[in-house]
Amino acid sequence: DAKTTQPPSMDCAEGRAANLPCNHSTISGNEYVYWYRQIHSQGPQYIIHGLKNNETNEMASLIITEDRKSSTLILPHATLRDTAVYYCIVSSYGQNFVFGPGTRLSVLP
Amino acid sequence: DTGVSQDPRHKITKRGQNVTFRCDPISEHNRLYWYRQTLGQGPEFLTYFQNEAQLEKSRLLSDRFSAERPKGSFSTLEIQRTEQGDSAMYLCASSQGREQETQYFGPGTRLLVL
Repeated sequence: DAKTTQPPSMDCAEGRAANLPCNHSTISGNEYVYWYRQIHSQGPQYIIHGLKNNETNEMASLIITEDRKSSTLILPHATLRDTAVYYCIVSSYGQNFVFGPGTRLSVLP
Repeated sequence: DTGVSQDPRHKITKRGQNVTFRCDPISEHNRLYWYRQTLGQGPEFLTYFQNEAQLEKSRLLSDRFSAERPKGSFSTLEIQRTEQGDSAMYLCASSQGREQETQYFGPGTRLLVL
């Protein structure tokens, strides 16, 4: 079973920030939080990952709570092309990824 | 384009036939993974290789499935005596095999068994 829980779906207005939550209350100290997204009929695309600190790259920001039991992926200015299923995964070195059903984000014009 | 390629992208076959899929990982990546994804579900782990060694296999990988990674480069996944339940997207991913285990996925091979 996946170690994360995510809302099944979310809507976001185009141009606004999309904030996607993820709960991982049983995360271990050596487990990273990874975010991927999957646009219809394509392979999952890596977005960002982090261990303890907040992270930012050209695609998104990752905010991890101090107790590391939850995180939020932020797409600062969502576009229609950000419509996808977003997966939050926790994994440590040598572990395989266990995907849950993810959050289906719909960016609305 | 992540640098991971899969071939073919689509495959239609009749029940009982054998099929083989190929994955070419990013060249310096030591680890290679196979996943299966059915409609509406997230990808499910099948097996992975560290160089040429197959280190783990999921219970999903029945004895009709076999995977190889000769010389630690490309990998093949073969399904023998296909069944309609094998219809799915088969995804390959690769990673450097270091502490930060970011996996990069290929576009997948979509299999339809008639």
